Amino acid sequence: ETGVTQTPRHLVMGMTNKKSLKCEQHLGHNAMYWYKQSAKKPLELMFVYNFKEQTENNSVPSRFSPECPNSSHLFLHLHTLQPEDSALYLCASSSQGSGGAKETQYFGPGTRLLVL
Amino acid sequence: AQTVTQSQPEMSVQEAETVTLSCTYDTSESDYYLFWYKQPPSRQMILVIRQEAYKQQNATENRFSVNFQKAAKSFSLKISDSQLGDAAMYFCAYRGYNNNDMRFGAGTRLTVKP
Repeated sequence: ETGVTQTPRHLVMGMTNKKSLKCEQHLGHNAMYWYKQSAKKPLELMFVYNFKEQTENNSVPSRFSPECPNSSHLFLHLHTLQPEDSALYLCASSSQGSGGAKETQYFGPGTRLLVL
Repeated sequence: AQTVTQSQPEMSVQEAETVTLSCTYDTSESDYYLFWYKQPPSRQMILVIRQEAYKQQNATENRFSVNFQKAAKSFSLKISDSQLGDAAMYFCAYRGYNNNDMRFGAGTRLTVKP
């Protein structure tokens, strides 16, 4: 599955580091999403971008900063993270507003983040 | 707020047998989408099947089918002729027709025994 790609696949960072996660979709979609998946917790939606505009921010701490320069790319900038931020970060995309099967979200392989 | 409940943290099935995973949800909306996603050890979230609430006919994809009971707000997944490759975490998800927020259940870990 290469429709949605994420880099890096694994990341280890200290609490004082600054790093960025990248997501790219090759499906012609207009909406992109960041999710956090922690152990033993349901997937948590973090951010939604629709046509490059942020439409959802589910009370995410400011140490997570998203960026969507165009409909194909989505970044998650990380700074001064905490150990509890260690998780799998999943990116997804969909064709928002088109109805039917195109509303389905397709996921990338995720970035496994460990904060020391 | 919509919630999705998967009451079975773990399930197991014998290879070639049939297993049903349960999912219930809570919503006041009349139009929405329901999904089952599979997450194998590789962690890639893969769409298994989807259902639009306005469609009465249950969705089917090869060995995967759903039992969608709108009045009961139930959306179970049936896997027929289970294969070793079906072993994974299965997540039920809900999405309202006019919003971006997709809600996921806690997941069911399916083990397939040879």
